[in-house]
Amino acid sequence: DQQVKQNSPSLSVQEGRISILNCDYTNSMFDYFLWYKKYPAEGPTFLISISSIKDKNEDGRFTVFLNKSAKHLSLHIVPSQPGDSAVYFCAAPRTYKYIFGTGTRLKVLA
Amino acid sequence: GAGVSQSPRYKVAKRGQDVALRCDPISGHVSLFWYQQALGQGPEFLTYFQNEAQLDKSGLPSDRFFAERPEGSVSTLKIQRTQQEDSAVYLCASSRGGINTEAFFGQGTRLTVV
Repeated sequence: DQQVKQNSPSLSVQEGRISILNCDYTNSMFDYFLWYKKYPAEGPTFLISISSIKDKNEDGRFTVFLNKSAKHLSLHIVPSQPGDSAVYFCAAPRTYKYIFGTGTRLKVLA
Repeated sequence: GAGVSQSPRYKVAKRGQDVALRCDPISGHVSLFWYQQALGQGPEFLTYFQNEAQLDKSGLPSDRFFAERPEGSVSTLKIQRTQQEDSAVYLCASSRGGINTEAFFGQGTRLTVV
C-alpha cells in the first residue's frame, strides 16, 4: 500500500521557468510533510517541510503547498536553475519513520 | 563530523557472502535509522534506534539482516548470506529525536550482489 505517491517519474523544465512537483497521500493521519532532494551518488538532503496546520511554506525559491482536503501537496521552484536537476522525494513521518514517495526526476534545461 | 558518514560507499559481494555496512551519525543525535533504496524507488524503512535501543526492526526483510548500535553512536547493518535481491543502496539517517524532526541522511552504501 503506497501511502505517499509521486505519479510523475520525471519532469523537464526550461531554466527560469516554474517547476511544479506533485505528491499525493492516502493517510489522513499524516500531519507533517517534507521534501528531500537527491543528487546521483549522494544521500537525500532536506529541502523544505510543511505542517498540516499551514497550507503554504516558503523558503527562497522553494514553496510547498498543502491541500488537506485533496490529500495533495506540491513543491514549486521559481525560477528553476540547472543546479536544481535532481530527484525529489516527498515524505511523511509516521511516528518516527518516514514514508517516502517514489521520487520525481527533475531536469532543468539551460 | 559535520554530517552522517557511511562506509564503504560501494560494496560488491558474491552471493552467499556476509557484509557489514557502517554508519557514523551526527554527534549527539539520539535517533538513527536505516533505509533501503531499490533502483527507481524511494527509500524504505528498515530499522530504528533510539540511542542504543533498537525500538523497531519491522522493516528488516529477513532474519539475514541484523543491525546494532551498541554504544548509542556508530551503527552497523549486517547482512548474512547475501542474495541478489539484497542489491540496493543502504541509507543511514540520524536526527535529534522527537516528533517531526528533520532526518539527515548519509551518502549511502551501494551494495551489489553478484
